[in-house]
Amino acid sequence: SQQGEEDPQALSIQEGENATMNCSYKTSINNLQWYRQNSGRGLVHLILIRSNEREKHSGRLRVTLDTSKKSSSLLITASRAADTASYFCATRETSGSRLTFGEGTQLTVNP
Amino acid sequence: SAVISQKPSRDICQRGTSLTIQCQVDSQVTMMFWYRQQPGQSLTLIATANQGSEATYESGFVIDKFPISRPNLTFSTLTVSNMSPEDSSIYLCSDYKLSGEQFFGPGTRLTVL
Repeated sequence: SQQGEEDPQALSIQEGENATMNCSYKTSINNLQWYRQNSGRGLVHLILIRSNEREKHSGRLRVTLDTSKKSSSLLITASRAADTASYFCATRETSGSRLTFGEGTQLTVNP
Repeated sequence: SAVISQKPSRDICQRGTSLTIQCQVDSQVTMMFWYRQQPGQSLTLIATANQGSEATYESGFVIDKFPISRPNLTFSTLTVSNMSPEDSSIYLCSDYKLSGEQFFGPGTRLTVL
């Protein structure tokens, strides 16, 4: 079963705007990872945030994690048309090695 | 990042046949995984491919339908057996690094007619 729920399911913005996607989960986790997928291709690993971290940055990406609320957010700043893709969060539970995916957010960045 | 290759990248198969997908990773890893992504859906874990022992299957997936081999630490195969149109999906292999990061191959897009 899917642990994560992502919100929104779809997001459409203009180039240059910021995009924020949210992910909620249910169990205790060891880490949470964000991925990008373009048009049904393979997954590109974006960032990993551990349960003892609250925020991480990578280029135009900013990820936050609130373990008390069991939620995470991915912020893409100054979006580009090339950022158009599906974005997935995935959690690794503390009790095992399984990585469980959320339903994903389809981001469309209009030129 | 990791380098994971899969073969074939896509295939169109007839109902009732079987397809074996190969996955090669660039370094020795303890754990490799196989996922399925049905059209318009998220990823679902099929099984963990264990080196030297049988794969560990998730609920809803069985060895007879999805036999998995892992002859060494860098290579695994997934066979989709006795295929039906419902098996049309993207199949992805993945490895688990000591850093905790999990990387994915480019996927195999399977269409069953």
